[in-house]
Amino acid sequence: QQQVKQSPQSLIVQKGGISIINCAYENTAFDYFPWYQQFPGKGPALLIAIRPDVSEKKEGRFTISFNKSAKQFSLHIMDSQPGDSATYFCAASTDTASKLTFGTGTRLQVTL
Amino acid sequence: EPEVTQTPSHQVTQMGQEVILRCVPISNHLYFYWYRQILGQKVEFLVSFYNNEISEKSEIFDDQFSVERPDGSNFTLKIRSTKLEDSAMYFCASSYFGTGGYGYTFGSGTRLTVV
Repeated sequence: QQQVKQSPQSLIVQKGGISIINCAYENTAFDYFPWYQQFPGKGPALLIAIRPDVSEKKEGRFTISFNKSAKQFSLHIMDSQPGDSATYFCAASTDTASKLTFGTGTRLQVTL
Repeated sequence: EPEVTQTPSHQVTQMGQEVILRCVPISNHLYFYWYRQILGQKVEFLVSFYNNEISEKSEIFDDQFSVERPDGSNFTLKIRSTKLEDSAMYFCASSYFGTGGYGYTFGSGTRLTVV
């Protein structure tokens, strides 16, 4: 019940295209859903986050869509760029816990 | 921008040896964490630490692991007797808030290789 399932495992998108990564969860106590971006040899870095009281959050080219009834959330990267090539992790936490529960990661490659 | 600093970046150790991984969290952060990432797999929570005590730990964090804040700036993870399956990237993180997962900053990690 603590798991966060993430798909796809890898994704290749052409420059300028839209990258979409999906996550699903079971634990209804989760109430904070961040996305992290990780470049090789670096730690995860917070990209964007959402709480379940909103259905969408947009920051620049990055948008989180959240479907509370389906217990799913997704990251959309508009106008994908080669510099977006990285591994993306969704995560979740509850307001009473200190830990983050991560998804399995999606390796995104943006080609020219 | 403030950073979480981890040393060493890569450590190779023999099975059965003790290792200490070091971290310098962001100075005004109060909560400290260790996570690990086995190659190609997800990032897994190990332990959280606040006010010189463990506040939460996972089932991975068994008796061979310990954490310490030996002074006002360092935060360490000790693995007493390393096993091959301890080979992973270990990430330290810190945050100002202790619950809810907010405001984490991760370090760049220590790659531990047990041979």
